[in-house]
Order: sequence, then structure tokens, then C-alpha cells
Amino acid sequence: DSGVTQTPKHLITATGQRVTLRCSPRSGDLSVYWYQQSLDQGLQFLIQYYNGEERAKGNILERFSAQQFPDLHSELNLSSLELGDSALYFCASSVGGRAMNEQFFGPGTRLTVL
Amino acid sequence: GNSVTQMEGPVTLSEEAFLTINCTYTATGYPSLFWYVQYPGEGLQLLLKATKADDKGSNKGFEATYRKETTSFHLEKGSVQVSDSAVYFCALSRYNQGGKLIFGQGTELSVKP
Repeated sequence: DSGVTQTPKHLITATGQRVTLRCSPRSGDLSVYWYQQSLDQGLQFLIQYYNGEERAKGNILERFSAQQFPDLHSELNLSSLELGDSALYFCASSVGGRAMNEQFFGPGTRLTVL
Repeated sequence: GNSVTQMEGPVTLSEEAFLTINCTYTATGYPSLFWYVQYPGEGLQLLLKATKADDKGSNKGFEATYRKETTSFHLEKGSVQVSDSAVYFCALSRYNQGGKLIFGQGTELSVKP
């Protein structure tokens, strides 16, 4: 158990819908990361927050948005869903927000768009 | 741009065999390098890391050496066990890009008794 929790574990929805994925980091970790894992794209970095502020941005679509709240939990919002958004979405956390900080991954949220 | 290339899988070995999973990277400067492991149905776990050239990361019998001259970070283990069956990801992170990890495509390892 990494100490990072993600809810829900599974999500099944339809095209065009909007969903919210939630992540609670390990106690004491200030940085949260979101990654998408799919068969065709592999593991892709989406976005990083550090203590409530956006720190780095990757291949995140405009239909996707995220935020980190004052209690440090984070939410990833996916809207106007398409079939290709079906993937495993991982959240990770680390103490600092730098390259050498170890990231601890949650178990993931499996999103299926029908 | 920055990228990581791993050897294709799946790799199937017998218990106690020697393991090598090749990883090469493309990046400017001196990235930090990592190996993560993903067991079935779980999230990723950090296996080992190296933050500068010639550093050797090691953990649970696995080792990898940061080779700047060959831009490589190959993962090795002298004697694999069935419990090592998992997907292994090589990754890099640049100092000026926060903690963003760039992953290779992953290599699935299956160890048979």
C-alpha cells in the first residue's frame, strides 16, 4: 500500500459525459501528479501540482482539467468524453516537486467510455 | 525531445536465470533515471534510481548503472524469481520540468518455475 488513495476504482460512462477522478496523496506529500496509461499511448504524464499550484504540464487535452485543493487532495476532471479516453488514470504523490523526488503511485482509476 | 526506449517484451525466463532489460534515453543535460515496477492490478512502485552519471541504483537484487556515454540505464538481476514477474518501466525526469516522469513503453517479464 503506497498511501495514495484514488476513487473511484472503476468508472463506466458514455461518450459526451463528464467525470471527476479523485486523489488523496500520502500524508506529508505536497506534490500530486496525474498520469494516463493506455495500450496505444503507454504511460503519459498529464499534469503536476505542488502545494496547490500547477508545476508542470504534459500532454493534457483541453477537455481535461485538474486542481489541487488546500487540503492537498486533487481532482482530475474529464469532459466531453470520447472512446479514446478509456484508460487507467494514475495519481502519484511526492514530498517535493523535483525530478529526484520519489513518486508514490495510487492503484489507479479504470475509466471505460462506451 | 526527451524520450525513453526499452527493449520489447514479453521476456520469459526460467527461475534463477539472469535478467537484462535494456533502456536507452534521449535527453539534454543530466536527467535523473528510474526503474519502476508494476505488479498485476497494482500501481507503479519505484524499484531504483540514479541521479548522476556513473551512479548505480540497486534494490531487491536489481541493479542499473547510469551510463552517460551510451545514454543507457539497463536493468539487471543475477537470479530472477517467479515473484519478479511484472511489467518494468524505465523513466527519466529533467531537473527543470518539475517532477514530470517520461516513461518507456514497459517490458513485461514472466518468470517460470
